[in-house]
Amino acid sequence: GDSVTQMEGPVTLSEEAFLTINCTYTATGYPSLFWYVQYPGEGLQLLLKATKADDKGSNKGFEATYRKETTSFHLEKGSVQVSDSAVYFCALSDRGGSARQLTFGSGTQLTVLP
Amino acid sequence: DGGITQSPKYLFRKEGQNVTLSCEQNLNHDAMYWYRQDPGQGLRLIYYSQIVNDFQKGDIAEGYSVSREKKESFPLTVTSAQKNPTAFYLCASSASGADNSPLHFGNGTRLTVT
Repeated sequence: GDSVTQMEGPVTLSEEAFLTINCTYTATGYPSLFWYVQYPGEGLQLLLKATKADDKGSNKGFEATYRKETTSFHLEKGSVQVSDSAVYFCALSDRGGSARQLTFGSGTQLTVLP
Repeated sequence: DGGITQSPKYLFRKEGQNVTLSCEQNLNHDAMYWYRQDPGQGLRLIYYSQIVNDFQKGDIAEGYSVSREKKESFPLTVTSAQKNPTAFYLCASSASGADNSPLHFGNGTRLTVT
């Protein structure tokens, strides 16, 4: 079946540091890929997405590129802020992006220190 | 402002009691979902509904029940048959259950059963 593997946390960085959170996936078809973010005490919000190979999703300074050859969708940000502290979830949907088919990774806790 | 409202934020129950979690949305979305989140794990789908008066089991439906009598509302009942009910429950909606329709999440209900 489909699966998503994320780098284990927690990750602690200083403000303005470079962020990478690794995400790899296993899927039988051609999935759509997503990053969701969960701020403390809240639900998840869609951060960015990519629906086909070589697509780059971007939002709020975060980027991720859909790499079919390495089955990866790593999240990056050039300069993190304290307000980026949250849990980040990688997810895939193997049915053209249908929400009911979403498979989530286990989440990576990010803490950014001033 | 449109959104998803989950209530209550915290819920405590004794073992053996059924409990119902509320989820209301005013986004005019057709599809609604219930997820369970456990520490160190991704989200797991309990039930989803793509249209009023219809719903489908997700990956971990045992011990749960739902109803969808109105478009805006999708309550989840955690029954006494659920062996490990203590968890964080997230409700979500999307415009449709179709391709690339993004999920909008509520802020969750933390259920503790003792």
